[in-house]
Amino acid sequence: QVQLQESGPGLVKPSETLSLTCTVSGGSVSSGSYYWSWIRQPPGKGLEWIGYIYYSGSTNYNPSLKSRVTISVDTSKNQFSLKLSSVTAADTAVYYCGTTVTTGSIDYWGQGTLVTVSS
Amino acid sequence: DVVMTQSPLSLPVTLGQPASISCRSSQSLVYSDGNTYLNWFQQRPGQSPRRLIYKVSNRDSGVPDRFSGSGSGTDFTLKISRVEAEDVGVYYCMQGTHWPPFTFGPGTKVDIK
Repeated sequence: QVQLQESGPGLVKPSETLSLTCTVSGGSVSSGSYYWSWIRQPPGKGLEWIGYIYYSGSTNYNPSLKSRVTISVDTSKNQFSLKLSSVTAADTAVYYCGTTVTTGSIDYWGQGTLVTVSS
Repeated sequence: DVVMTQSPLSLPVTLGQPASISCRSSQSLVYSDGNTYLNWFQQRPGQSPRRLIYKVSNRDSGVPDRFSGSGSGTDFTLKISRVEAEDVGVYYCMQGTHWPPFTFGPGTKVDIK
């Protein structure tokens, strides 16, 4: 079973770049069996899919965030990462990493990490 | 993007009684391969989402059989046959047919009367 763990700063200043890493165990980011996603959830609100990266390096982002998002993969560390630029208070959320094993789904989720955007 | 709606948004239930949540999509979720990629997730308080159901009616390993999913096209339902205290939380439907992006419903909060 794949296990995922998010890490990164819990506080980011407005206009700066949010950077998070997801460490994968029980699976390989180099495998064609998985898509690796980021999802977020503002406090007390619903879920928003941010984007994914495939082992080949191909990415796809939610159009609502596309201009500010970069997802990358580090095969040497079995990790993938999220960068979200020009953040505002509206980007304050719990950020989850997840993986797609079953077509059309998100099979496994990390525990999530709260990122607060504030000066 | 496909818009997902759920009803009700709040569902107070009595322990041992059934519960039902409806999910509707703005377009058919039948994919060209014949499958329908509609998922249900449970999010208990303070926890990350956990998948219960995939492809409309397939229950994940370890999910109690009191949970069942049904539906087709644009209309789907999650049923809990007898609600237990551990079922308290928010339930989300999510479509994976027209992705990217995956899109989620707004969530239905289930609590005990």
